[in-house]
Amino acid sequence: DTGVSQDPRHKITKRGQNVTFRCDPISEHNRLYWYRQTLGQGPEFLTYFQNEAQLEKSRLLSDRFSAERPKGSFSTLEIQRTEQGDSAMYLCASSLVLQGFNEQYFGPGTRLTVT
Amino acid sequence: AQTVTQSQPEMSVQEAETVTLSCTYDTSENNYYLFWYKQPPSRQMILVIRQEAYKQQNATENRFSVNFQKAAKSFSLKISDSQLGDTAMYFCAFSEYGNKLVFGAGTILRVKS
Repeated sequence: DTGVSQDPRHKITKRGQNVTFRCDPISEHNRLYWYRQTLGQGPEFLTYFQNEAQLEKSRLLSDRFSAERPKGSFSTLEIQRTEQGDSAMYLCASSLVLQGFNEQYFGPGTRLTVT
Repeated sequence: AQTVTQSQPEMSVQEAETVTLSCTYDTSENNYYLFWYKQPPSRQMILVIRQEAYKQQNATENRFSVNFQKAAKSFSLKISDSQLGDTAMYFCAFSEYGNKLVFGAGTILRVKS
């Protein structure tokens, strides 16, 4: 078990550029979550997948954001036409849904800086 | 919508002493989960302890225990015998049906030697 991994760990981009982040969950986990954390704040939910199906999206996820989880394994989060307000840590978490509670395991995050 | 409030932005404690972090939440649901997560500096978030709302008994994990007051919607974390490695940001979080997490703003805990 290698844990949840995210790539890249850091990304600096210019305003208006597109960026894509990748998350590899723990191998047997069927659920994958994306959160955004700004400095000094708690993470905010963006979206989650069960297998390849995207089951919920937050209002925070504007039309410039899109997430995919093809084949129910890794996931990508793309931000188009980045804005300075997109600067944040983007966290991925995965869990195995059996019955009732499912513990979410977090990755190290991708820190995005938009200049 | 559910909300989670942590009213203590920063706390400090001497090594080996006990500290309590506060958390209140708001929900109209009867069944839910509450969590405390730890985020050490520049490291990933890990689960410290969880509480199911239907359980009256307070959860305990080694030096970590909670005081869950369902009627008051209060969920505090007590850390006993504090260690330098406990220095971190602590987040209280809420989950309905075990799905997405709603986090508080966090409390920075500094353990001093």
